[in-house]
Amino acid sequence: AQSVTQPDIHITVSEGASLELRCNYSYGATPYLFWYVQSPGQGLQLLLKYFSGDTLVQGIKGFEAEFKRSQSSFNLRKPSVHWSDAAEYFCAVGDPWSGGFKTIFGAGTRLFVKA
Amino acid sequence: SQTIHQWPATLVQPVGSPLSLECTVEGTSNPNLYWYRQAAGRGLQLLFYSVGIGQISSEVPQNLSASRPQDRQFILSSKKLLLSDSGFYLCAWDEGRAGNTIYFGEGSWLTVV
Repeated sequence: AQSVTQPDIHITVSEGASLELRCNYSYGATPYLFWYVQSPGQGLQLLLKYFSGDTLVQGIKGFEAEFKRSQSSFNLRKPSVHWSDAAEYFCAVGDPWSGGFKTIFGAGTRLFVKA
Repeated sequence: SQTIHQWPATLVQPVGSPLSLECTVEGTSNPNLYWYRQAAGRGLQLLFYSVGIGQISSEVPQNLSASRPQDRQFILSSKKLLLSDSGFYLCAWDEGRAGNTIYFGEGSWLTVV
């Protein structure tokens, strides 16, 4: 069965600094990979997803993620963080041959942005 | 485009009272539908999913139940709420094919007092 780990419970970065959120997964083949963002009291919004092809994926709000098969990782990056990026970020691993009920979510990383 | 609506947004209920959270999806047909719970400071826990009308799968034993009376309607219920049922409940959907992207509603805050 697949699993996903987000090693950092919370991260604090200064506004304007770069950001990298880590995500590691366990899966027997190449999974589908997702990053979601959740603002307080809101639902989860899809930032980006990787199904196949180019391993560097561009998403909304200036985010990107890179799939590295050798490291079983799908880290989320942003070159310059804005105060509005403060939120919780979830990495998720999906099974390409099953429905979404096989999608596993990480525990989340809360991002704090300081002025 | 597809949209998902979930209500009520906030609910405060006494212990032992019933619960009904409702979710509808627009702009798609035969979606998979999901109910997740998110306890404070925790990740997502899949409670129920449905691949079609009247078809409900439960992921964890609990005090809650789900129903899908129509193709794009999903209801989360309880006959008697417990304090431990408090949390943030999220309805979600995907297109019903393998390996799909899950899209979430805005969530419902439930506080059991």
